[in-house]
Amino acid sequence: EVQLAESGGGLVQTGGSLRLSCAASGFTFSNYWMYWVRQAPGKGLVWVSHINSDGSSTSYADSVKGRFTISRDNAKNTLYLQMNSLRAEDTAVYYCAKSLEYWGQGTLVTVSS
Amino acid sequence: DVVMTQSPLSLPVTLGQPASISCKSSQSLVYSDGNTYLSWFQQRPGQSPRRLIYKVSNRDSGVPDRFSGSGSGTDFTLKISRVEAEDVGVYYCMQGTHWPPWTFGQGTKVEIK
Repeated sequence: EVQLAESGGGLVQTGGSLRLSCAASGFTFSNYWMYWVRQAPGKGLVWVSHINSDGSSTSYADSVKGRFTISRDNAKNTLYLQMNSLRAEDTAVYYCAKSLEYWGQGTLVTVSS
Repeated sequence: DVVMTQSPLSLPVTLGQPASISCKSSQSLVYSDGNTYLSWFQQRPGQSPRRLIYKVSNRDSGVPDRFSGSGSGTDFTLKISRVEAEDVGVYYCMQGTHWPPWTFGQGTKVEIK
């Protein structure tokens, strides 16, 4: 059974940093593209970032480019999202997703001054 | 970026009756490999998104056959043949042809009359 478990969310001040993790199990992690998608409170789904299977290729939404970094450790079956220079508009539930087919339960990031 | 436009944004339905959601893209979603990367997701209240349909009309494992997807080019439809109580939630279309970014529609809220 595919399982994705996000962690690392919380309350952070404007301009601060957080690192999200997504622990994967139930599939061969190193074979799949992975994604981060976020959802602001009461709003829709917004793609944030993607990484290919070996980590050699990444992409970012314009709204986070230069501030967020996606990475993965295939030996640990874990996906990461390093978030720097956080803004109030980054407040959202962040989901990791395997090939956009399976999604984790999400972790809430709240950015407040 | 490809803009995905869903209608209606709110859909009150009677149990046992059919429902239909439209999704239009700002450009054709046919990829160079001949596939059309249009997916549908369901998000029940308080839950993570779940993919229902991929490549326009292919149901994911475990998705009831009352859900069906159709369309081509820029116009797509998700149909529920007979709405059940567990179908309440928000439905999103998403394109994965012209990436990055992967883009979602605004979401359609399905509720029971």
